[in-house]
Amino acid sequence: GEDVEQSLFLSVREGDSSVINCTYTDSSSTYLYWYKQEPGAGLQLLTYIFSNMDMKQDQRLTVLLNKKDKHLSLRIADTQTGDSAIYFCAEIPDTGRRALTFGSGTRLQVQP
Amino acid sequence: GAGVSQTPSNKVTEKGKYVELRCDPISGHTALYWYRQSLGQGPEFLIYFQGTGAADDSGLPNDRFFAVRPEGSVSTLKIQRTERGDSAVYLCASSIGGTGYEQYFGPGTRLTVT
Repeated sequence: GEDVEQSLFLSVREGDSSVINCTYTDSSSTYLYWYKQEPGAGLQLLTYIFSNMDMKQDQRLTVLLNKKDKHLSLRIADTQTGDSAIYFCAEIPDTGRRALTFGSGTRLQVQP
Repeated sequence: GAGVSQTPSNKVTEKGKYVELRCDPISGHTALYWYRQSLGQGPEFLIYFQGTGAADDSGLPNDRFFAVRPEGSVSTLKIQRTERGDSAVYLCASSIGGTGYEQYFGPGTRLTVT
């Protein structure tokens, strides 16, 4: 079945880079996503990558995909206190379904 | 432009009561999704509409849950005979078409069943 796993917590200092990791089990995944959730708020779509890509860069965000190992990462350069939030990895399988399958989220804490 | 909106933002109800949660998608988005997020977890899929019809309702936990989208825009999630285990944040998302590759979420409705 589908399963997406993430580590629970990451703490970094302001100005450092953050790397949030995710593993997934469904080899048929077509799109893989990163969402950000701030306290009491909905989910903000940050970026996504198609499964035939290895890397995608968008300003301070870099997504790396290792399809062989089913490993996805999100790197945030020059992390700011405003980046403190929960980050969710999600995927859509290539089964015709449109339902996102989410991990449990990684809480990023940025210390000044 | 306006994002996905959901009402109410908070709903407290007693066990056994009926509730309705409303979602207004981004204008022009034909696909609409409902998810449920329990504390400390990622969202879990409930149901997906393409236009007026439910294209995939495989995530609905039981027959107490039902959703409609009669005119292909606003959707209502209906929960009958609520139970304490239904307490969660109910999230709605929409996407521009049936591909669902960019789903945009609303702020959610926090449902508390006492």
